[in-house]
Amino acid sequence: LAKTTQPISMDSYEGQEVNITCSHNNIATNDYITWYQQFPSQGPRFIIQGYKTKVTNEVASLFIPADRKSSTLSLPRVSLSDTAVYYCLVGTKTSYDKVIFGPGTSLSVIP
Amino acid sequence: DAGVTQSPTHLIKTRGQQVTLRCSPKSGHDTVSWYQQALGQGPQFIFQYYEEEERQRGNFPDRFSGHQFPNYSSELNVNALLLGDSALYLCASSLEVAGPPVNEQFFGPGTRLTVL
Repeated sequence: LAKTTQPISMDSYEGQEVNITCSHNNIATNDYITWYQQFPSQGPRFIIQGYKTKVTNEVASLFIPADRKSSTLSLPRVSLSDTAVYYCLVGTKTSYDKVIFGPGTSLSVIP
Repeated sequence: DAGVTQSPTHLIKTRGQQVTLRCSPKSGHDTVSWYQQALGQGPQFIFQYYEEEERQRGNFPDRFSGHQFPNYSSELNVNALLLGDSALYLCASSLEVAGPPVNEQFFGPGTRLTVL
């Protein structure tokens, strides 16, 4: 099973960079790493996806080391609206039954 | 562009009853997945539908069944409801042919089911 481990919670002040690390020691060769964001009473929202090295889009960066056993989601200059739960997923579209969301990381941004 | 819509928003049932939840995928999407999210936990994959057939299934009993219609909309049915079925039920849609190997899923707002 593509199980992941993340910190349960994190706090950050507004304007700071936040890095959330996810461990996935048994990642398979074909697995991609995907991060979702979820606000209370809403469905998760796709943030970023990557396979190796670094991926950047308009909202975040994803750093993946060469061994791919972990990944780090980086949120630049967070604001109060970034307060949410962040999930790290590992898998492929043919293995949704083996993709485990886990409890995610609850990020609280403090004014 | 309409996103994923789900109905109803909230639902209250009693143990032993049956429930049907509905989902309309994002325009242009052909694949629908259903998830169960208990309070304080991450979503758990129930099953996925593509071309009107169940393609993948998570670790859920046969009481959970579904259907996909020719217009790609989908239903989730749960029979013989248990107290433990109380949760937020999320529908997610994606496009089969979109790459890379993991298609970006678009989630709906969910249906909050309470079983008394």
